[in-house]
Amino acid sequence: EVQLLESGGGLVQPGGSLRLSCAASGFTFSTHVMSWVRQAPGKGLDWVSTISGGGGNTNYADSVKGRFTISRDNSKSTLYLQMNSLRAEDTAVYYCVKVLSGYSYGYSDFWGQGTLVTVSS
Amino acid sequence: EIVLTQSPATLSLSPGERATLSCRASQSVSSSLAWYQQKPGQAPRLLIYDASNRATGIPVRFSGSGSGTDFTLTISSLEPEDFAVYYCQQRRNWPPETFGQGTRLEIK
Repeated sequence: EVQLLESGGGLVQPGGSLRLSCAASGFTFSTHVMSWVRQAPGKGLDWVSTISGGGGNTNYADSVKGRFTISRDNSKSTLYLQMNSLRAEDTAVYYCVKVLSGYSYGYSDFWGQGTLVTVSS
Repeated sequence: EIVLTQSPATLSLSPGERATLSCRASQSVSSSLAWYQQKPGQAPRLLIYDASNRATGIPVRFSGSGSGTDFTLTISSLEPEDFAVYYCQQRRNWPPETFGQGTRLEIK
C-alpha cells in the first residue's frame, strides 16, 4: 500500500524558513517522479514543484522559484521541500504527491494527508 | 500559462441523477487532462487521466470525455459518496501544470 506522510509544517513569521519532509513507502521511491502541490485555506489546488526519480531534474512554479528547493533522498525514500523567504501568500496545506507511473510530470495518483504551513506575524 | 475554467461553480443534484461537469481550457491541451475528487478534510483523489482513462479503482460510473479545449466529467448515477468538489488539471503546457477552480457537487 502506497503511503506518503508529510511533516514539518507549522507557524512561521514572514521572511522565515521551513523544511517539509515526506516519508514514502509501499512503492519503489527512486523510480517515481514526485511533486508538491499546495492548497490555500478554502481555495483550489496549486502546483509548487516536481522532481525526477533520480533527483537531477527539478521544476518550480514561478511564484516559488528562487525561494523554494525540492530535493529527495532515495536511500531514505524521503522527499523534501525547503521553503525560504516565506510570505503570507504561501499559507496553505502542502501535499506530497506521487506522479502516475509512466509520466514524467502531471497526474498525481497518490497524495499524502497534507501538512499546514501558516505564515503570519 | 493555460487557464482552466470549470462550470458550473456549484451543481445541485439528487442521488441517482446524472452529473455533467465541464472544464474549458484557454488553449488546446490535446488529451492531457485529468479529473480529481476532493472531499472535505481529505486529499484529492485521481479519477480520470488523459481525458478518458479511469485511474485504478475508480468506479465505472465515472467517465471522462473531450479533447482540445472542452472536457466533460460524467457521473452516470450519483451515489451519496460522490458529493464533493471536483477539479480538472492540465499537463500539456508544462511547467506549470494548472488546475481549474473546482466544481462543488452538492446534494439537492
